[in-house]
Amino acid sequence: DAKTTQPNSMESNEEEPVHLPCNHSTISGTDYIHWYRQLPSQGPEYVIHGLTSNVNNRMASLAIAEDRKSSTLILHRATLRDAAVYYCILRGLIQGAQKLVFGQGTRLTINP
Amino acid sequence: GAVVSQHPSRVICKSGTSVKIECRSLDFQATTMFWYRQFPKKSLMLMATSNEGSKATYEQGVEKDKFLINHASLTLSTLTVTSAHPEDSSFYICSANPGRNTEAFFGQGTRLTVV
Repeated sequence: DAKTTQPNSMESNEEEPVHLPCNHSTISGTDYIHWYRQLPSQGPEYVIHGLTSNVNNRMASLAIAEDRKSSTLILHRATLRDAAVYYCILRGLIQGAQKLVFGQGTRLTINP
Repeated sequence: GAVVSQHPSRVICKSGTSVKIECRSLDFQATTMFWYRQFPKKSLMLMATSNEGSKATYEQGVEKDKFLINHASLTLSTLTVTSAHPEDSSFYICSANPGRNTEAFFGQGTRLTVV
């Protein structure tokens, strides 16, 4: 399975932008880059995903490097509710199924 | 948006009994669903891929006779933890996605405690 590398933890302040990095040097051409986040005692929540071009939605932006070996999730204006564990995952076909295999993720702390 | 619902959200059972957890896709059909377990302060570990109308595919190290998966319809997959023991206590989560290359939706999780 293609793996991702993320910092264990990051900290930011409320109302400031947050840039969460992810390295995925072994990404294959058909792997999509997915980001999910998880609050305590809840199932993960979809944030954003992309293939090659940068993506924007109401929650965040995803900046994908030109060689696709890294990406950055951007929260434009963090709130306390954005405190969560953020997972960067490569999604491709594994044994015929589009599995999501989770790494350790980045625990994001937001200071008031 | 699409919703995946799990039931129950928490369950306590006695050692040696079996527990069934349901995962439903409420507004889309899912030929494939996924089951994860998560220990405290750890990441999600993929247990198995549930396939509608055929056998589930288990990840290495996951006992198929211990964790029975049934995917009888396009909107329902069930995970049964058989002969549960305290070490099976964990947070179990299911997911499904509405189509190829779309986002995945996760259930709210089931907290299993075996006493």
